[in-house]
Parts: sequence; C-alpha cells; structure tokens
Amino acid sequence: GENVEQHPSTLSVQEGDSAVIKCTYSDSASNYFPWYKQELGKRPQLIIDIRSNVGEKKDQRIAVTLNKTAKHFSLHITETQPEDSAVYFCAAPPDKLIFGTGTRLQVFP
Amino acid sequence: GAGVSQSPRYKVAKRGQDVALRCDPISGHVSLFWYQQALGQGPEFLTYFQNEAQLDKSGLPSDRFFAERPEGSVSTLKIQRTQQEDSAVYLCASSSTGMRGYGYTFGSGTRLTVV
Repeated sequence: GENVEQHPSTLSVQEGDSAVIKCTYSDSASNYFPWYKQELGKRPQLIIDIRSNVGEKKDQRIAVTLNKTAKHFSLHITETQPEDSAVYFCAAPPDKLIFGTGTRLQVFP
Repeated sequence: GAGVSQSPRYKVAKRGQDVALRCDPISGHVSLFWYQQALGQGPEFLTYFQNEAQLDKSGLPSDRFFAERPEGSVSTLKIQRTQQEDSAVYLCASSSTGMRGYGYTFGSGTRLTVV
C-alpha cells in the first residue's frame, strides 16, 4: 500500500522567513497530492493541491512542487506570518488519502 | 448542510463501554470516509463508503469497530467494548468525487476519551 513520509516533524521560523515541508510517497500510481492545515482542536483544511500533470502550483504565499520521478512533493510558504502556525499534513492516494505524520510549524513574531 | 457535521463533539467512555459516533456528510456527497487521529499523529484511514456500500474497511483496527451508512447519507461508527488505546479524534470526511482523494471536506471530529 501507499506509504507517505513527511519531514521535518517540527519547524520554527521567524516571521517573514520561508518554510519548506517535504513529503515522499511510494505508490507510483498516486496522481493527486493535497496539503492540509490543521489548527489546534480544529478540522484539517485543504490549503493547496497539485495533480500529477503539473510540476508546480502557486496560490499567493503558498506553493507546492512535485517531482514524480523522485516521488516527492513539497510545500513552500513564503513571508510567513504568526497565523501560519499550525500542523501541516501532506497526503497521497491512489485510492484513498494516506496522510503523512505532520509538521508542526511555529512562526515567531 | 453547509459542511460535514459530527456528533458528539466530545465523548468520555468508561473502558468496556460501547460508543456510537455520528457523521452527517454534505448533502449529495456519495463518498464518506472515517479516519482516526491519535494525539500528535496524522489521520489514519479506517473505512470508506460509496453511498450505502462499504467498499473498504481495511483500516478498522479490530472487530470491535463497525461502521454503517444504511441510507447512503448519515453514517455511524460504533466501537464496542472500548479500550484506552481507542482514545483519539475520529474524523469523518465526505466527497462528491469518489475515492481518489479529491475534494475531501472534513468534519470537526469527535474526541473520544476512554477512562
């Protein structure tokens, strides 16, 4: 079955700096790669996703890059703000979403 | 409804007690998923329904866990003879697009504490 690994488990950055979270997956049939943000005690919320026919997607300060050959994809957050502090999860199909173990991002003012 | 609704929001059960957790998906969403999220971990897949059919229950940890969706809308996750290791947040998600991960909307979850 699919296996998704996520690094780092914790990440602390200064406000305004960039943050990068990386995930690797095992199943080459996976073709959709979402990223979820989960604030303490709240539901996971989709923040950005990418399909396998593109290598990069950007939405304001957030971008996702995909390398299908190497089976890894990354979340990039630029100009981080304190409200970006949360746990971020990557996920991959192919048939049901398998989540990574999460990255706790802390942005210090 | 406007979103995925789960109840109760919190549940405390004594070890050995049976519990039932409810999920009310977005109206018209044919796919419904249950996940278990232990403290500090990512959501772990439990089971999947397409309408009333349970197509995948490979993630259910034991035969104490049972899920149903008899009319293809509301789903119930039942845990019999609860144990401390069942303590977790149980998340429900629904989608209009089927299994392949697209368009999941999660509910706020039920936090189960077994004492």
